[in-house]
Amino acid sequence: EAQVTQNPRYLITVTGKKLTVTCSQNMNHEYMSWYRQDPGLGLRQIYYSMNVEVTDKGDVPEGYKVSRKEKRNFPLILESPSPNQTSLYFCASSSREWGEQYFGPGTRLTVT
Amino acid sequence: GQQVMQIPQYQHVQEGEDFTTYCNSSTTLSNIQWYKQRPGGHPVFLIQLVKSGEVKKQKRLTFQFGEAKKNSSLHITATQTTDVGTYFCAVTNAGGTSYGKLTFGQGTILTVHP
Repeated sequence: EAQVTQNPRYLITVTGKKLTVTCSQNMNHEYMSWYRQDPGLGLRQIYYSMNVEVTDKGDVPEGYKVSRKEKRNFPLILESPSPNQTSLYFCASSSREWGEQYFGPGTRLTVT
Repeated sequence: GQQVMQIPQYQHVQEGEDFTTYCNSSTTLSNIQWYKQRPGGHPVFLIQLVKSGEVKKQKRLTFQFGEAKKNSSLHITATQTTDVGTYFCAVTNAGGTSYGKLTFGQGTILTVHP
């Protein structure tokens, strides 16, 4: 089954404790993105990747890092999480530049 | 960066009534996509519009792209309780060089009362 998976689905952590949210897709898509969703703000792009080792900042990259060492994986790293990073995070992939986005199930992160 | 306004933010309708959400941009768009997110779920792609004045239909859903490619609408005829969710537009700038960069609207939350 074609899908995007994310782990963990839920995470409660404390300020400053480094964490990684994994994202994997099995559709051989070149394009992958991370979004955060907050009430009233819609989905805001954090980072995106056009291919292996090619990444670029989205609209809200501060406090986040990404890597794309393999085509299927695109982890999101929070080196020192803060409470304002409490949000719902979605990973997405696409076969085409600006094409249909396939979203993962989401990761709900709470930073206390 | 790209700005897109989506209105209304909320819409409550009685089952059977129609519903419309609008997406507006101050700049010309390359294309626009529409997504639906059910409560507790993830966004799911509905459609992509590319051509000026384009109109596409999916059963009770009608999607339009403005002649100037600066606005779009999603219209649902005779809503059903299964239409409940948040509807998002997502846009890319015409002539943009930010490859892969999509900007989402704030979303319209649709509630359908049976």
